[in-house]
Amino acid sequence: QQQVKQSPQSLIVQKGGISIINCAYENTAFDYFPWYQQFPGKGPALLIAIRPDVSEKKEGRFTISFNKSAKQFSLHIMDSQPGDSATYFCAAKPHYNAGNNRKLIWGLGTSLAVNP
Amino acid sequence: GAGVSQSPRYKVAKRGQDVALRCDPISGHVSLFWYQQALGQGPEFLTYFQNEAQLDKSGLPSDRFFAERPEGSVSTLKIQRTQQEDSAVYLCASSSPGQGTKQYFGPGTRLTVT
Repeated sequence: QQQVKQSPQSLIVQKGGISIINCAYENTAFDYFPWYQQFPGKGPALLIAIRPDVSEKKEGRFTISFNKSAKQFSLHIMDSQPGDSATYFCAAKPHYNAGNNRKLIWGLGTSLAVNP
Repeated sequence: GAGVSQSPRYKVAKRGQDVALRCDPISGHVSLFWYQQALGQGPEFLTYFQNEAQLDKSGLPSDRFFAERPEGSVSTLKIQRTQQEDSAVYLCASSSPGQGTKQYFGPGTRLTVT
């Protein structure tokens, strides 16, 4: 049972364009929503994260939009560059409970290719 | 400073062999996580340590999987009697209390069971 659903599975964008990746979650007990970037042969690296008390967070070219009522959040990459070509994962963390408060539930990933 | 390191980076095992995968977390990080990432999938949680205490092992797929962190730093994930379905990348991540939920990942160990 996939608690975090991510789409699209793959995405091709032209250089300078906007890349948009969407995630939807089912468990309202999640309280932390990070996005990770993973290059081939590397571990995931945290890109940007948001908590449900804000609707948008921006860091450089990366923006998370969060819709609590719809239980959806998305990553926008502005002015996409070939170096952004990677796999992107959304994730969600359940609210604190004893023992597993830091466990992340992951989406299946989106493979982004930015054409030069 | 140094990030999370894992060894070996690649491991090929014959079905039925035991393997041990090592994780060196960032110095001072009390939390350590193991994830399994199948090809084309997102990471799946395996287990979580806080210092030497294994607080959550709910993600370990079978009793063939065992993890330890005896001194609260280096951790080892052991897989006994490997099966082909164990083939995956095993990721280790660590985090510190001061940085909340931010997890730093190592490069992973790619395990191939033939």
